[in-house]
Amino acid sequence: QSVLTQPPSASGTPGQRVTISCSGSTSNIGTNYLYWYQQLPGTAPKLLIYRNNQRPSGVPDRFSGSKSGTSASLAISGLRSEDEADYFCASWDDSLSGHVFGTGTKVTVL
Amino acid sequence: EVQLAESGGGLVQPGRSLRLSCAASGFTFDDYAMHWVRQAPGKGLEWVSGISWNSGSIGYADSVKGRFTISRNNAKKSLYLQMNSLRPEDTAFYYCAKGATGSVAAAGPDYWGQGTLVTVSS
Repeated sequence: QSVLTQPPSASGTPGQRVTISCSGSTSNIGTNYLYWYQQLPGTAPKLLIYRNNQRPSGVPDRFSGSKSGTSASLAISGLRSEDEADYFCASWDDSLSGHVFGTGTKVTVL
Repeated sequence: EVQLAESGGGLVQPGRSLRLSCAASGFTFDDYAMHWVRQAPGKGLEWVSGISWNSGSIGYADSVKGRFTISRNNAKKSLYLQMNSLRPEDTAFYYCAKGATGSVAAAGPDYWGQGTLVTVSS
């Protein structure tokens, strides 16, 4: 059972902006960094955002992350067909002494 | 280029053991923590275990504590997961992942291998 809660799905048309939420608690998001991963169909996850809002080199600036209190969000602007994937948030949990992942959100480009 | 290659997956009966390996290249292996993350087919991600750069700090998910053992050999640039007393609910793709820092807790994974499938069934 995942500790971080995400909506199961999100969708948009090409060019639109889509936002995915991630809700946690003071023992994880409220205290530690938040990460976002993209998993394209049939592939391994890829780091999209680290330390709440930082993009690794090579990740387009269409992807942005933010955090406030015990919640975080990932925004995809200028949605493209290749953004169709599963997205997972993650954070360290001080109570569990382990990393925890979100339930995952499937993004569909209409 | 960071490369992580898992091996050792397969079909195993409940109660038996299996050992996964991960060969790393393209980075200074002994500077970074390493993790195992699993994903049951069609399901979400679950962190299984992590080990710090010098093996001084190790953590496990409650679901595998006491059954799985993580280890690393920095000279061989390799990560391992010994899985004992396997259960059907352990069936999943197991990913080897490089930590973003040397600490297990300070940062999550930044690079992932392609995964190896473990199927626990009679």
